[in-house]
Amino acid sequence: DTEVTQTPKHLVMGMTNKKSLKCEQHMGHRAMYWYKQKAKKPPELMFVYSYEKLSINESVPSRFSPECPNSSLLNLHLHALQPEDSALYLCASSQDSTRGVSYEQYFGPGTRLTVT
Amino acid sequence: GNSVTQMEGPVTLSEEAFLTINCTYTATGYPSLFWYVQYPGEGLQLLLKATKADDKGSNKGFEATYRKETTSFHLEKGSVQVSDSAVYFCALSVVRGNTPLVFGKGTRLSVIA
Repeated sequence: DTEVTQTPKHLVMGMTNKKSLKCEQHMGHRAMYWYKQKAKKPPELMFVYSYEKLSINESVPSRFSPECPNSSLLNLHLHALQPEDSALYLCASSQDSTRGVSYEQYFGPGTRLTVT
Repeated sequence: GNSVTQMEGPVTLSEEAFLTINCTYTATGYPSLFWYVQYPGEGLQLLLKATKADDKGSNKGFEATYRKETTSFHLEKGSVQVSDSAVYFCALSVVRGNTPLVFGKGTRLSVIA
């Protein structure tokens, strides 16, 4: 099973709302990622978690707050977003690559976020 | 630094035509190379990969060979179908912890019947 699931599929939120995106994988992967993808662009990395610890934050604004409650789950908490944050948010997972081997990442279907 | 350059589309082909999407890379170190496909309204799916020079990745009739001497990883398919219409991303990953994928800009392929 190489499935990464994400909920919700679509989300519309106002600039004062608080919402969360959820991601789950059951492949035993210990690295999980959040990407943001704007239309007709490649995904841009936001965060990387390795063994449930944040290892990379690509200078993402604090209105995005990631959380990794356990090795299978990854959340992205959203607060006070701006309309330019509207995008497809993709979650991915991979085997941990800290031991000198590079593994492929498996992506979920994404959450289409619209900020009004 | 690490970067991926792929031909920009859109590419429009007739069904059963031969497909080539060019991809070249620059990398500090020895990268693994990937092709991902994104169908309309969906996330990215791993199409194929290669982890060392002269490796050939293949899947669903698509192939790409890791060419270290030309720093290339071109995607090919002998006979495309309408269902192959999607955006294709070439990507690399250099072994250095859980490094992010470095993506090319993507190539949109449209196959017409």
